[in-house]
Amino acid sequence: ETGVTQTPRHLVMGMTNKKSLKCEQHLGHNAMYWYKQSAKKPLELMFVYNFKEQTENNSVPSRFSPECPNSSHLFLHLHTLQPEDSALYLCASSQALAGVSYEQYFGPGTRLTVT
Amino acid sequence: AQSVTQLGSHVSVSEGALVLLRCNYSSSVPPYLFWYVQYPNQGLQLLLKYTTGATLVKGINGFEAEFKKSETSFHLTKPSAHMSDAAEYFCAVGILIGNEKLTFGTGTRLTIIP
Repeated sequence: ETGVTQTPRHLVMGMTNKKSLKCEQHLGHNAMYWYKQSAKKPLELMFVYNFKEQTENNSVPSRFSPECPNSSHLFLHLHTLQPEDSALYLCASSQALAGVSYEQYFGPGTRLTVT
Repeated sequence: AQSVTQLGSHVSVSEGALVLLRCNYSSSVPPYLFWYVQYPNQGLQLLLKYTTGATLVKGINGFEAEFKKSETSFHLTKPSAHMSDAAEYFCAVGILIGNEKLTFGTGTRLTIIP
């Protein structure tokens, strides 16, 4: 148990659907992250939130919309996705203070398939 | 900016043999270094970390890594491989000053031969 939970664990959606991924951390951390992990590709950082403020958007298409209502919860809203968006989406959290990169703790991921 | 290079996308070792996974980093400021393990259809799990102090760090499951500043390396080792070690391993680097991001390597898939 890593203290970071993600729901759902698996999601199949059509290209015209709207769905949301949820991440919750129980570690008291202040920073949260979304990553995309595709087969045969490096881990891609998508978004970073620190104390609920977005500090990084790695040129992610607008069909991915993050939301961070508080330091414990992070959402990724999905709409009009493409088949190439099928991947494992990982959420992570860390205690990031004064710009220092401490270790990140990951959730189990959501396996997304876009049909 | 920092970067990480993992040499060898696939490594195979026999059960009971030494495991050596290589990681080299580039950073203009003192780094924090991490190794993560990922089992199929799971998230990444922290194996060990180096921040400051002792350069040989021990982690879970019998793994250890040594920070060598002169070689800009942080290789992961385990004296005797077990079948349960089969997984993908990621090296990552963070920095003391800058931001809250980690830079990950491309991963090394470890296969254990019975």
